[in-house]
Amino acid sequence: DTAVSQTPKYLVTQMGNDKSIKCEQNLGHDTMYWYKQDSKKFLKIMFSYNNKELIINETVPNRFSPKSPDKAHLNLHINSLELGDSAVYFCASSQAGVTEAFFGQGTRLTVV
Amino acid sequence: EDQVTQSPEALRLQEGESSSLNCSYTVSGLRGLFWYRQDPGKGPEFLFTLYSAGEEKEKERLKATLTKKESFLHITAPKPEDSATYLCAVQGNANAGKSTFGDGTTLTVKP
Repeated sequence: DTAVSQTPKYLVTQMGNDKSIKCEQNLGHDTMYWYKQDSKKFLKIMFSYNNKELIINETVPNRFSPKSPDKAHLNLHINSLELGDSAVYFCASSQAGVTEAFFGQGTRLTVV
Repeated sequence: EDQVTQSPEALRLQEGESSSLNCSYTVSGLRGLFWYRQDPGKGPEFLFTLYSAGEEKEKERLKATLTKKESFLHITAPKPEDSATYLCAVQGNANAGKSTFGDGTTLTVKP
């Protein structure tokens, strides 16, 4: 039973399109995250939600919009995709406090 | 701003050849330092959390240690299945709930 699952695993799309990535966790965690991992494997936080409330919003283009319908789900919608958006996007969750994060398997987004 | 630097970038070992990975950090009040393992095509998998200088944690062939400026991940008698990218991350007082990651060390263990 997957703890943090995100769909799709692969996403190939053309520049200018709009796409969404979905994430669900069944760990009962209050906090969820979106991370971006570039080609050099550098992992950078984009957003964090706690109990459906946005608590971390890094310097990310406003074409990226997260949405948390409930504390078990955190989706990422991306408008007007650009070549530079190509990366692997990871969803993660954790308990409140200084605790480890549990990551999904990633979504490899390729913009052509 | 919190910063994490990992070295070396890549490490190639023979099976059984012990070594260490380094994670140097700058943070305003360390709340926790994390080690993760990432296999190709997968998400990072949690290994250890260290909270204060002097703390050590062990799991099978891995041992993590922490000082006020850096952490080491010691790998004793590694096996090919230990090959992966090892990521270090910190959380500091100034950025509660936000983990800052290093670039990782890619370890290859040859049989």
